[in-house]
Amino acid sequence: QVQLQESGPGLVKPSETLSLTCAVSGYSISSGYYWGWIRQPPGKGLEWIGSIYHSGSTYYNPSLKSRVTISVDTSKNQFSLKLSSVTAADTAVYYCATPSDYYDILTGYYLGDAFDIWGQGTMVTVSS
Amino acid sequence: DIQMTQSPSSLSASVGDRVTITCRASQGISNSLAWYQQKPGKAPKLLLYAASRLESGVPSRFSGSGSGTDYTLTISSLQPEDFATYYCQQYYSTPLLTFGGGTKVEIK
Repeated sequence: QVQLQESGPGLVKPSETLSLTCAVSGYSISSGYYWGWIRQPPGKGLEWIGSIYHSGSTYYNPSLKSRVTISVDTSKNQFSLKLSSVTAADTAVYYCATPSDYYDILTGYYLGDAFDIWGQGTMVTVSS
Repeated sequence: DIQMTQSPSSLSASVGDRVTITCRASQGISNSLAWYQQKPGKAPKLLLYAASRLESGVPSRFSGSGSGTDYTLTISSLQPEDFATYYCQQYYSTPLLTFGGGTKVEIK
């Protein structure tokens, strides 16, 4: 069973870089599919930050693209998020997640994927 | 970018009520929609995918429908454990993903 666990500093100073890691257990990160980061500011909704595929390809939310880097460390079976030049607006709970593929049982038709596995989330506060 | 708009942003309901939440996409998403439930302090939980397919283990009182740009999540008979916030998410434009703003279901 795949499990995800976020870790990293809970407090980051404005203008610095936020760095988080998501440890993957129960599955080899290099075996396939993709791994994502989602965040949630206090009292607000979910925001997709970006994803990294097992091929190494990365995709980012256009609103954050200039400040985000997602990478994979296959030797440690984990993936990471770096968000530069943070401000108070980046204060949020940060989740890592990974999807499963879904298929129609009768036809085999591919129905897409959705995030069915999530980490517990880690709160990051940006403050001096 | 595909924008997802949920309505209402919050609602009050009683145990046993039928509850409907709407999600509208800024363009057609061909049923490429997931619904999540989130309780305070917890990670979101996947309820449905492909707009109407129930994730394994999710009670059958949850259902989804829709097409094109408009989708709904229905809880047929609200239970105490269903008071939570619900989010839709489109994956039509995978790998670029977007969530709706959320609907908080509160106790009347």
